[in-house]
Amino acid sequence: AQTVTQSQPEMSVQEAETVTLSCTYDTSESDYYLFWYKQPPSRQMILVIRQEAYKQQNATENRFSVNFQKAAKSFSLKISDSQLGDAAMYFCAYRSAHSGNTPLVFGKGTRLSVIA
Amino acid sequence: DTAVSQTPKYLVTQMGNDKSIKCEQNLGHDTMYWYKQDSKKFLKIMFSYNNKELIINETVPNRFSPKSPDKAHLNLHINSLELGDSAVYFCASSPHSPRGAEQFFGPGTRLTVL
Repeated sequence: AQTVTQSQPEMSVQEAETVTLSCTYDTSESDYYLFWYKQPPSRQMILVIRQEAYKQQNATENRFSVNFQKAAKSFSLKISDSQLGDAAMYFCAYRSAHSGNTPLVFGKGTRLSVIA
Repeated sequence: DTAVSQTPKYLVTQMGNDKSIKCEQNLGHDTMYWYKQDSKKFLKIMFSYNNKELIINETVPNRFSPKSPDKAHLNLHINSLELGDSAVYFCASSPHSPRGAEQFFGPGTRLTVL
């Protein structure tokens, strides 16, 4: 079974600075997806960024980028120019690509605080 | 327009009661899911349905019974509620295509069992 590990329960960053959240995963599959979801206090799950395992290029979405190291099974999220609205729980998630209805496997989350 | 909706958003009830949570998606997706988020914020899959058929049942007590009347709806009925059932329950949906990887989440239902 696949597992996802987020080793940082809490992180903090100064406004306008950069922070990196860590994620590692364990799988024997070669084709899968990785995601970062954000959960603000409203509890809505918001997709931040996703990465297809077959793509070598790291995904970017505005201030958010990932460092995907397939051999090391590592998938970290970098947030640049941090804003107060970035404060939230961040979840790393894995999804097998072997069929169209596999569920997400989540890490335990990292709570990010942004200091003004 | 709300893509994935859940009702109610909050549910407070007594131990032993039976309750239901409803989920609807207007995205035309074939697959729907229920996830449970516990008090430590850990999210875990409970069930997944594809086109009204149960695909995954992750060792959830049989007091939990999902029902999918059509592929746009997936309801969760819980019998004989226990204190440990207190959690946030999320409904999600995704297209069936293997390359359509993103799941869209509802707003969650916070269930409190007293």
